[in-house]
Amino acid sequence: KNEVEQSPQNLTAQEGEFITINCSYSVGISALHWLQQHPGGGIVSLFMLSSGKKKHGRLIATINIQEKHSSLHITASHPRDSAVYICAASYSGGGADGLTFGKGTHLIIQP
Amino acid sequence: GAGVSQSPRYKVAKRGQDVALRCDPISGHVSLFWYQQALGQGPEFLTYFQNEAQLDKSGLPSDRFFAERPEGSVSTLKIQRTQQEDSAVYLCASSLTRGSSYNSPLHFGNGTRLTVT
Repeated sequence: KNEVEQSPQNLTAQEGEFITINCSYSVGISALHWLQQHPGGGIVSLFMLSSGKKKHGRLIATINIQEKHSSLHITASHPRDSAVYICAASYSGGGADGLTFGKGTHLIIQP
Repeated sequence: GAGVSQSPRYKVAKRGQDVALRCDPISGHVSLFWYQQALGQGPEFLTYFQNEAQLDKSGLPSDRFFAERPEGSVSTLKIQRTQQEDSAVYLCASSLTRGSSYNSPLHFGNGTRLTVT
């Protein structure tokens, strides 16, 4: 079964801290997604990557294909970054073509 | 609004009632996905449409769940004889091309929060 594991499940940090959220997946993927979900349910796609590194503002996503691992980093964290961050994998091959999601990391940034 | 729209935003149903959840994808998007998200969990795949064709319904938890997209745009997820374990947020997502390929990110709606009492 294709699985996606995230850590930590919960993270509380002070404003300004550097944040790292980790994601591991079990088999080969075609793409790895990082998503942000605010209270109320809406999900926003932050990154979609299949290799290397992407940066958008204070957010950085990296992926190591050999190690089947991805990280999401937030620099100079701010209370508005508080949300659930979800890692999701697109698996190649047959099946739904949909995503397998991790359970999410609940991030709270305190002022 | 150019995003994915879901309605209703919240739905409370008594056990045994039938419910219908609607998803309006972004215009022109080929692929449409339904996901179920239980409290504190990541979303779980329910079903996938490519235009009007339901190509995968392997995630539907029981035959009480039914989804359709008759004209390849708006989709409806119907749950018959709702049970308490059906309580969850139901998310819809669409993408421009087939599947969730690298060049075609998913766009999510805000979800419908279903509570079965």
